[in-house]
Amino acid sequence: SQKIEQNSEALNIQEGKTATLTCNYTNYSPAYLQWYRQDPGRGPVFLLLIRENEKEKRKERLKVTFDTTLKQSLFHITASQPADSATYLCALVGPTDKLIFGTGTRLQVFP
Amino acid sequence: ETGVTQTPRHLVMGMTNKKSLKCEQHLGHNAMYWYKQSAKKPLELMFVYNFKEQTENNSVPSRFSPECPNSSHLFLHLHTLQPEDSALYLCASSQEGDGTDTQYFGPGTRLTVL
Repeated sequence: SQKIEQNSEALNIQEGKTATLTCNYTNYSPAYLQWYRQDPGRGPVFLLLIRENEKEKRKERLKVTFDTTLKQSLFHITASQPADSATYLCALVGPTDKLIFGTGTRLQVFP
Repeated sequence: ETGVTQTPRHLVMGMTNKKSLKCEQHLGHNAMYWYKQSAKKPLELMFVYNFKEQTENNSVPSRFSPECPNSSHLFLHLHTLQPEDSALYLCASSQEGDGTDTQYFGPGTRLTVL
């Protein structure tokens, strides 16, 4: 079955640096991959969707890449700010055409 | 974030209680979802409703009973729960109910079963 792997360890970076989060999947390449942000005690919020024929997608300071050969998506936040501190979830379509979520990686940006 | 609302935000119940979680979406979507989120685990899809019809039950124990009276409202009825059912229960909605949809989540109900 399809599995998603995100680094369970928190990523700590200094304000102004670029944060890079990794999402690896184990089986077939999905047609779409989504990234969500989740703050403590809140529901996830959609950030970006990238299609398999798109190598890169950008939205303001966010950039997502999708490498179907490596079965990996990278999520970048440039010029990171303390307000970017949150858990970031990767999600892709599973075998029943429903989203499967990763456990998420917690990002902490220090001033 | 006000597109999907959930009540109550926090709930503490005993194993013999019966309670219900409520979700309402104001986005005009056709699909609604219940997820369970436990610490250190990914979101677990529980139920999916599309146009008020249940299209997925992800092997959820019968002590969880969903109800979808219309496309805007979704309930999760709880009875004789176990302590391991303590978690954050998230409701979400999307336009069509397939995996390509963006999902819009509510703030969740933090459930504690004593």
